[in-house]
Amino acid sequence: DTAVSQTPKYLVTQMGNDKSIKCEQNLGHDTMYWYKQDSKKFLKIMFSYNNKELIINETVPNRFSPKSPDKAHLNLHINSLELGDSAVYFCASSQDSARWTSTDTQYFGPGTRLTVL
Amino acid sequence: SQQGEEDPQALSIQEGENATMNCSYKTSINNLQWYRQNSGRGLVHLILIRSNEREKHSGRLRVTLDTSKKSSSLLITASRAADTASYFCATAPKTSYDKVIFGPGTSLSVIP
Repeated sequence: DTAVSQTPKYLVTQMGNDKSIKCEQNLGHDTMYWYKQDSKKFLKIMFSYNNKELIINETVPNRFSPKSPDKAHLNLHINSLELGDSAVYFCASSQDSARWTSTDTQYFGPGTRLTVL
Repeated sequence: SQQGEEDPQALSIQEGENATMNCSYKTSINNLQWYRQNSGRGLVHLILIRSNEREKHSGRLRVTLDTSKKSSSLLITASRAADTASYFCATAPKTSYDKVIFGPGTSLSVIP
């Protein structure tokens, strides 16, 4: 069984549209993350949730809104997509149970390649 | 420069040779982790080394940590074509707000 899964794997859309990416982990982890990887492979954290609570919000435009309905799911909704949003988005999870600590091994999903035209 | 920076940016070797990648960081850390990313895939955790450890092994992988120099190295021995991937170090800084920070990665090509 896949530990961290994301859907869709590929997403091609027009500028100005709204889209969502879903993430689920079946590892029983308390903490989940969203990362953005640009064309130069630089991986930047966007959000972190611990037990459905937002912990990290790294100066991401408010067009990006994460939602965690339960601790196994962390979805990412993006409004008014822009060309610069094109990237690969990775979901990850870790066992970190302490609210302000996220230093454990992270398990990554396969990524969602978003292309904004 | 940023926390967790790998060196070199790209490395090309022949199958069977050893590959060494280095990571430097700036602040004190709880631990340092190495990840591998195959093309088109997510990152896969390789090794976690804690700040009180100096060396760790896992199969053909050897990681060292020198906290006085704020640096770590990843050695892959007897490389294989399947080791071709990007390798990232991730540091978990000791701050009041702990989070893992990834470096820009080293792209390793192993030529058969």
